[in-house]
Amino acid sequence: DAGVTQSPTHLIKTRGQQVTLRCSPKSGHDTVSWYQQALGQGPQFIFQYYEEEERQRGNFPDRFSGHQFPNYSSELNVNALLLGDSALYLCASSLANLDEQFFGPGTRLTVL
Amino acid sequence: KQEVTQIPAALSVPEGENLVLNCSFTDSAIYNLQWFRQDPGKGLTSLLLIQSSQREQTSGRLNASLDKSSGRSTLYIAASQPGDSATYLCAVRPMRGSARQLTFGSGTQLTVLP
Repeated sequence: DAGVTQSPTHLIKTRGQQVTLRCSPKSGHDTVSWYQQALGQGPQFIFQYYEEEERQRGNFPDRFSGHQFPNYSSELNVNALLLGDSALYLCASSLANLDEQFFGPGTRLTVL
Repeated sequence: KQEVTQIPAALSVPEGENLVLNCSFTDSAIYNLQWFRQDPGKGLTSLLLIQSSQREQTSGRLNASLDKSSGRSTLYIAASQPGDSATYLCAVRPMRGSARQLTFGSGTQLTVLP
């Protein structure tokens, strides 16, 4: 049973560029959450997708957007990249009516 | 707004010691609390999940307790091993909100010396 997978593993971009990160949830899971983790900090909630819609959003600007596909996989898009967007981006999947979230290995984004 | 604090930020112990990691949260209206392990540059591995109605959970050498009224949780690691070296994060899930997203502490970086 494959766990949560994310791609790419690492990514280097320059300021002002746009980036797309991808996440495939654990088999059978229908809910995907995205988190940003800056170095030395705990993860911060970006948003959650369920039934292809954004269900709730954390304190992140509109430059951060997402999408969920019919197969429950998800994308995180970040426009007009800033140096401060450099972080580990984590995807977590769960079943809508259950408690535990399972995290993927993350995508390390570096903005130069 | 929920705030989660973990003390200490870093801890170094010799192999074989028993140790306690602390987590405190400001809003006691939580649904559950979860402890995670994170190796450098990697994702999060769930260690223990405690529902708000529970007082503790155990898994192998790990024991987590929850005192919701005082806003505290502890993670007890028995007979520590060098392989336990990692960052340990606690996270709380609120009672309210459609996503009930996790709020994390900044973690405790544990080093177990051989």
